[in-house]
Amino acid sequence: GQQLNQSPQSMFIQEGEDVSMNCTSSSIFNTWLWYKQDPGEGPVLLIALYKAGELTSNGRLTAQFGITRKDSFLNISASIPSDVGIYFCAGHGGGSNYKLTFGKGTLLTVNP
Amino acid sequence: SQTIHQWPATLVQPVGSPLSLECTVEGTSNPNLYWYRQAAGRGLQLLFYSVGIGQISSEVPQNLSASRPQDRQFILSSKKLLLSDSGFYLCACPASGANTGELFFGEGSRLTVL
Repeated sequence: GQQLNQSPQSMFIQEGEDVSMNCTSSSIFNTWLWYKQDPGEGPVLLIALYKAGELTSNGRLTAQFGITRKDSFLNISASIPSDVGIYFCAGHGGGSNYKLTFGKGTLLTVNP
Repeated sequence: SQTIHQWPATLVQPVGSPLSLECTVEGTSNPNLYWYRQAAGRGLQLLFYSVGIGQISSEVPQNLSASRPQDRQFILSSKKLLLSDSGFYLCACPASGANTGELFFGEGSRLTVL
């Protein structure tokens, strides 16, 4: 089945630093998604990417859909304490494929 | 916009006991519905998905089962829980009508099996 490799597994940074995380896949996806999960809650969608090469921003977050359609990255600029959480990438094959494949997550800790 | 209600929010059950987790969705009709499990705070594993009433697809062989008795109701069950069933169970549905993969998640049900 499809697998996503997400890295790094965890990050410890100082407030104000920039963060970068990425996902690679063994197969092509039609949609790349980035979610954030706060402790004890369900994941919340941050950014959705629908086209190869697409670069999308949401406030301090920027994500890109790789040209090969097999990878994506998420950048967070000027991190703040509330950025703490687990960030997941996810890929969707489109069409009649109803399933979303998730990466294993990046645990982000921001020290004030 | 849709809303997903999951209950109970927290559950502690002994090994061998039955389980029933319920998910109801508002603000959408005939949605695809999904059950995911998250163990140890990491990784989301798809357990079941349903494209309609009575239609269940299982992704992982296990002692869990799912049912969809109504359009906006999705239930996760077990007859006898195992220690390995502990985890955070999340119900989800598409965030929009199009099949773009965007999922909207409920708040989850945390199950601890002792």
